[in-house]
Amino acid sequence: AQSVAQPEDQVNVAEGNPLTVKCTYSVSGNPYLFWYVQYPNRGLQFLLKYITGDNLVKGSYGFEAEFNKSQTSFHLKKPSALVSDSALYFCAVRGNSGYSTLTFGKGTMLLVSP
Amino acid sequence: DAGVIQSPRHEVTEMGQEVTLRCKPISGHNSLFWYRQTMMRGLELLIYFNNNVPIDDSGMPEDRFSAKMPNASFSTLKIQPSEPRDSAVYFCASSDIDGANTGELFFGEGSRLTVL
Repeated sequence: AQSVAQPEDQVNVAEGNPLTVKCTYSVSGNPYLFWYVQYPNRGLQFLLKYITGDNLVKGSYGFEAEFNKSQTSFHLKKPSALVSDSALYFCAVRGNSGYSTLTFGKGTMLLVSP
Repeated sequence: DAGVIQSPRHEVTEMGQEVTLRCKPISGHNSLFWYRQTMMRGLELLIYFNNNVPIDDSGMPEDRFSAKMPNASFSTLKIQPSEPRDSAVYFCASSDIDGANTGELFFGEGSRLTVL
Protein backbone atom coordinates (compact mmCIF):
# COMPACT_ATOMS: atom_id res chain seq x y z
CA ALA A 1 0.00 0.00 0.00
CA GLN A 2 1.21 3.49 -0.74
CA SER A 3 1.40 6.19 1.91
CA VAL A 4 2.55 9.74 2.53
CA ALA A 5 3.84 11.28 5.75
CA GLN A 6 3.91 14.99 6.42
CA PRO A 7 5.59 15.12 9.84
CA GLU A 8 4.69 18.72 10.64
CA ASP A 9 1.13 19.83 11.30
CA GLN A 10 2.22 23.45 11.03
CA VAL A 11 5.23 25.39 9.77
CA ASN A 12 5.81 28.98 10.81
CA VAL A 13 8.12 31.26 8.86
CA ALA A 14 8.68 35.00 8.60
CA GLU A 15 8.03 36.74 5.32
CA GLY A 16 11.16 36.87 3.19
CA ASN A 17 12.71 33.80 4.79
CA PRO A 18 13.09 30.48 3.00
CA LEU A 19 10.51 27.81 3.74
CA THR A 20 10.51 24.02 3.66
CA VAL A 21 7.51 21.73 4.03
CA LYS A 22 8.52 18.12 4.52
CA CYS A 23 7.12 15.01 2.87
CA THR A 24 8.19 11.38 2.83
CA TYR A 25 6.48 8.61 0.92
CA SER A 26 6.17 4.89 0.48
CA VAL A 27 5.11 3.27 -2.79
CA SER A 28 5.89 0.20 -4.87
CA GLY A 29 7.96 0.95 -7.92
CA ASN A 30 8.79 4.38 -9.19
CA PRO A 31 6.73 7.15 -7.61
CA TYR A 32 4.73 9.95 -9.11
CA LEU A 33 4.86 12.76 -6.52
CA PHE A 34 2.76 15.91 -6.20
CA TRP A 35 2.17 18.98 -4.13
CA TYR A 36 -1.21 20.66 -3.87
CA VAL A 37 -2.22 23.81 -1.99
CA GLN A 38 -5.56 24.57 -0.36
CA TYR A 39 -6.64 28.08 0.59
CA PRO A 40 -9.45 28.53 3.14
CA ASN A 41 -12.84 27.34 1.91
CA ARG A 42 -11.41 26.39 -1.47
CA GLY A 43 -10.57 23.21 -3.33
CA LEU A 44 -7.06 21.91 -3.78
CA GLN A 45 -4.90 23.45 -6.47
CA PHE A 46 -2.04 21.68 -8.22
CA LEU A 47 1.40 23.16 -7.51
CA LEU A 48 3.94 20.82 -9.04
CA LYS A 49 4.78 17.21 -9.80
CA TYR A 50 7.69 14.85 -10.20
CA ILE A 51 7.31 12.10 -12.76
CA THR A 52 10.81 11.48 -14.01
CA GLY A 53 13.96 13.37 -14.91
CA ASP A 54 15.54 16.20 -12.97
CA ASN A 55 15.21 15.73 -9.22
CA LEU A 56 14.49 19.43 -8.72
CA VAL A 57 11.04 20.34 -9.92
CA LYS A 58 9.81 23.89 -10.30
CA GLY A 59 6.14 24.77 -9.98
CA SER A 60 3.66 27.58 -9.56
CA TYR A 61 4.14 30.72 -7.43
CA GLY A 62 7.91 30.21 -7.10
CA PHE A 63 7.67 26.86 -5.33
CA GLU A 64 10.01 23.99 -6.03
CA ALA A 65 10.47 20.50 -4.68
CA GLU A 66 13.39 18.10 -4.57
CA PHE A 67 12.94 14.40 -5.14
CA ASN A 68 15.35 12.28 -3.08
CA LYS A 69 15.00 8.60 -3.89
CA SER A 70 17.36 7.31 -1.22
CA GLN A 71 15.51 9.21 1.51
CA THR A 72 12.09 8.69 -0.11
CA SER A 73 11.42 12.37 0.34
CA PHE A 74 9.87 15.14 -1.71
CA HIS A 75 10.19 18.33 0.33
CA LEU A 76 8.53 21.53 -0.86
CA LYS A 77 10.66 24.68 -0.81
CA LYS A 78 10.56 28.36 -1.61
CA PRO A 79 13.51 30.75 -1.33
CA SER A 80 11.50 33.69 0.00
CA ALA A 81 8.11 33.26 1.65
CA LEU A 82 5.17 35.61 1.17
CA VAL A 83 2.29 36.22 3.58
CA SER A 84 -0.01 35.13 0.75
CA ASP A 85 1.67 31.69 0.77
CA SER A 86 -0.14 30.94 4.04
CA ALA A 87 -2.31 27.92 3.28
CA LEU A 88 -2.65 24.17 3.75
CA TYR A 89 -0.19 22.13 1.69
CA PHE A 90 -0.69 18.51 0.71
CA CYS A 91 1.88 16.06 -0.57
CA ALA A 92 0.55 13.14 -2.64
CA VAL A 93 1.94 9.98 -4.21
CA ARG A 94 0.84 7.34 -6.66
CA GLY A 95 2.51 4.36 -8.23
CA ASN A 96 3.22 4.34 -11.94
CA SER A 97 1.12 1.34 -12.87
CA GLY A 98 -2.42 0.86 -14.02
CA TYR A 99 -5.19 2.78 -12.30
CA SER A 100 -3.18 3.57 -9.17
CA THR A 101 -4.79 6.60 -7.57
CA LEU A 102 -3.39 9.46 -5.55
CA THR A 103 -2.83 9.06 -1.82
CA PHE A 104 -2.61 12.35 0.05
CA GLY A 105 -0.78 13.22 3.22
CA LYS A 106 -2.67 14.84 6.10
CA GLY A 107 -1.50 18.29 5.13
CA THR A 108 0.80 20.92 6.65
CA MET A 109 -0.47 24.36 7.52
CA LEU A 110 2.02 27.01 6.48
CA LEU A 111 1.78 30.32 8.32
CA VAL A 112 3.89 33.19 7.04
CA SER A 113 4.08 36.15 9.37
CA PRO A 114 4.66 39.73 8.16
CA ASP B 1 -12.81 27.46 -18.41
CA ALA B 2 -15.49 26.97 -15.75
CA GLY B 3 -13.58 24.42 -13.73
CA VAL B 4 -15.20 21.64 -11.72
CA ILE B 5 -18.58 22.75 -10.44
CA GLN B 6 -20.07 21.32 -7.27
CA SER B 7 -23.42 21.90 -5.65
CA PRO B 8 -24.59 22.65 -3.08
CA ARG B 9 -21.67 24.51 -1.50
CA HIS B 10 -23.22 24.09 1.93
CA GLU B 11 -25.80 21.61 3.18
CA VAL B 12 -27.21 21.33 6.66
CA THR B 13 -29.53 18.43 7.27
CA GLU B 14 -30.84 16.27 10.05
CA MET B 15 -29.80 12.74 10.81
CA GLY B 16 -31.69 10.23 8.71
CA GLN B 17 -32.30 12.53 5.77
CA GLU B 18 -31.07 11.80 2.26
CA VAL B 19 -28.27 13.99 0.93
CA THR B 20 -27.34 14.33 -2.74
CA LEU B 21 -24.17 16.10 -3.81
CA ARG B 22 -23.61 17.01 -7.44
CA CYS B 23 -20.59 17.49 -9.63
CA LYS B 24 -19.98 18.71 -13.15
CA PRO B 25 -16.44 17.87 -14.27
CA ILE B 26 -14.37 19.89 -16.68
CA SER B 27 -15.51 19.31 -20.23
CA GLY B 28 -13.32 16.74 -21.96
CA HIS B 29 -12.07 15.16 -18.75
CA ASN B 30 -12.75 11.43 -18.58
CA SER B 31 -11.81 10.68 -14.99
CA LEU B 32 -13.79 11.79 -11.96
CA PHE B 33 -13.00 11.40 -8.28
CA TRP B 34 -14.98 11.95 -5.08
CA TYR B 35 -12.95 12.78 -1.96
CA ARG B 36 -14.00 13.45 1.62
CA GLN B 37 -12.03 15.80 3.88
CA THR B 38 -12.23 15.81 7.68
CA MET B 39 -9.91 17.09 10.36
CA MET B 40 -9.46 13.63 11.80
CA ARG B 41 -8.90 11.61 8.64
CA GLY B 42 -7.64 14.18 6.14
CA LEU B 43 -8.44 13.58 2.47
CA GLU B 44 -9.95 10.21 1.65
CA LEU B 45 -10.71 8.91 -1.83
CA LEU B 46 -14.26 7.59 -1.90
CA ILE B 47 -14.68 6.52 -5.51
CA TYR B 48 -13.03 6.93 -8.90
CA PHE B 49 -14.75 6.82 -12.31
CA ASN B 50 -13.08 6.46 -15.67
CA ASN B 51 -15.21 7.02 -18.78
CA ASN B 52 -18.29 7.02 -16.51
CA VAL B 53 -17.48 3.55 -15.14
CA PRO B 54 -16.62 3.10 -11.45
CA ILE B 55 -13.06 1.78 -11.28
CA ASP B 56 -12.35 1.86 -7.56
CA ASP B 57 -15.05 2.26 -4.92
CA SER B 58 -13.11 0.67 -2.08
CA GLY B 59 -13.14 3.97 -0.20
CA MET B 60 -16.92 4.21 0.01
CA PRO B 61 -17.55 3.95 3.76
CA GLU B 62 -20.63 1.76 3.74
CA ASP B 63 -23.84 0.97 1.91
CA ARG B 64 -25.35 4.27 2.92
CA PHE B 65 -23.08 5.89 0.34
CA SER B 66 -23.63 5.54 -3.39
CA ALA B 67 -22.25 7.35 -6.42
CA LYS B 68 -23.32 7.50 -10.02
CA MET B 69 -22.02 8.98 -13.22
CA PRO B 70 -24.79 8.70 -15.81
CA ASN B 71 -22.86 10.69 -18.40
CA ALA B 72 -19.54 12.41 -18.93
CA SER B 73 -20.74 15.74 -17.58
CA PHE B 74 -22.48 14.81 -14.35
CA SER B 75 -21.97 12.78 -11.20
CA THR B 76 -23.79 12.43 -7.91
CA LEU B 77 -22.81 11.24 -4.46
CA LYS B 78 -25.74 10.19 -2.33
CA ILE B 79 -25.89 9.46 1.37
CA GLN B 80 -29.01 7.75 2.64
CA PRO B 81 -29.65 7.85 5.52
CA SER B 82 -27.20 10.51 6.66
CA GLU B 83 -25.51 10.40 10.07
CA PRO B 84 -23.65 13.07 12.08
CA ARG B 85 -20.34 11.32 11.41
CA ASP B 86 -20.84 12.01 7.70
CA SER B 87 -20.25 15.71 8.36
CA ALA B 88 -17.29 16.69 6.19
CA VAL B 89 -16.30 18.58 3.09
CA TYR B 90 -16.85 16.50 -0.02
CA PHE B 91 -14.71 17.30 -3.04
CA CYS B 92 -15.14 16.29 -6.62
CA ALA B 93 -12.10 16.31 -8.90
CA SER B 94 -11.66 15.57 -12.57
CA SER B 95 -8.77 14.81 -14.89
CA ASP B 96 -8.09 13.91 -18.49
CA ILE B 97 -6.54 10.53 -19.11
CA ASP B 98 -3.03 11.95 -19.18
CA GLY B 99 -3.72 13.79 -15.95
CA ALA B 100 -5.10 10.67 -14.34
CA ASN B 101 -2.05 8.76 -15.38
CA THR B 102 0.27 11.36 -13.92
CA GLY B 103 -2.05 12.58 -11.18
CA GLU B 104 -2.88 16.20 -11.93
CA LEU B 105 -6.39 16.59 -10.64
CA PHE B 106 -8.64 19.64 -10.87
CA PHE B 107 -10.76 20.07 -7.75
CA GLY B 108 -14.09 21.73 -7.25
CA GLU B 109 -14.71 24.13 -4.38
CA GLY B 110 -16.28 21.40 -2.28
CA SER B 111 -19.64 20.76 -0.61
CA ARG B 112 -19.63 21.29 3.14
CA LEU B 113 -22.08 18.88 4.74
CA THR B 114 -23.31 19.20 8.29
CA VAL B 115 -25.56 16.48 9.64
CA LEU B 116 -27.26 17.41 12.91
